[in-house]
Amino acid sequence: SAVISQKPSRDICQRGTSLTIQCQVDSQVTMMFWYRQQPGQSLTLIATANQGSEATYESGFVIDKFPISRPNLTFSTLTVSNMSPEDSSIYLCSVEGDRGPYNEQFFGPGTRLTVL
Amino acid sequence: AQSVTQLDSQVPVFEEAPVELRCNYSSSVSVYLFWYVQYPNQGLQLLLKYLSGSTLVKGINGFEAEFNKSQTSFHLRKPSVHISDTAEYFCAVSDRVTGRRALTFGSGTRLQVQP
Repeated sequence: SAVISQKPSRDICQRGTSLTIQCQVDSQVTMMFWYRQQPGQSLTLIATANQGSEATYESGFVIDKFPISRPNLTFSTLTVSNMSPEDSSIYLCSVEGDRGPYNEQFFGPGTRLTVL
Repeated sequence: AQSVTQLDSQVPVFEEAPVELRCNYSSSVSVYLFWYVQYPNQGLQLLLKYLSGSTLVKGINGFEAEFNKSQTSFHLRKPSVHISDTAEYFCAVSDRVTGRRALTFGSGTRLQVQP
């Protein structure tokens, strides 16, 4: 299993500012994912972040708005840039281990973001 | 492209009653199937998964699900629920052919267990 921590756990931000969310894993993993869960909604994938390569963004998400760093196999950051109230969501990172043809995805506790 | 449909947004049920949460998926390729649970103010926890083999999958906390390929369904069941099962339940799929590992989630079903 993998234990994932996220910082901050929650934040309230002003419109137009940026927030960087950190994701730390207790083991080395190749694949990390960032999801967004808008209020009352399901999870939507923002991007896949593999160490040593550029993040791959899903349709509707762009690097300028959600820049991602993946400096090593245990850490990643997601920045929410130039925030608006529509960015108010829970942001979750998840990881998949490297064993077998498929391994369970583990999720962090999430970062609850409120934009005023 | 894949999509997941959870037919019920909310399911109220009395304690010790059986429950079924429905999940249907659409995909042009073969998929892996998952159920996750999200307790209030907590992260997601895997309940169970179907990768291959027996179509009846048993998970944690007494839950089980059955994969039905012809109906493209993966319904979650529990014979007797507890108050502590009150949570949001998400069905999810991932592509087992192309290697895309990210999950596609359904909209979620809120299970409300009443005393």
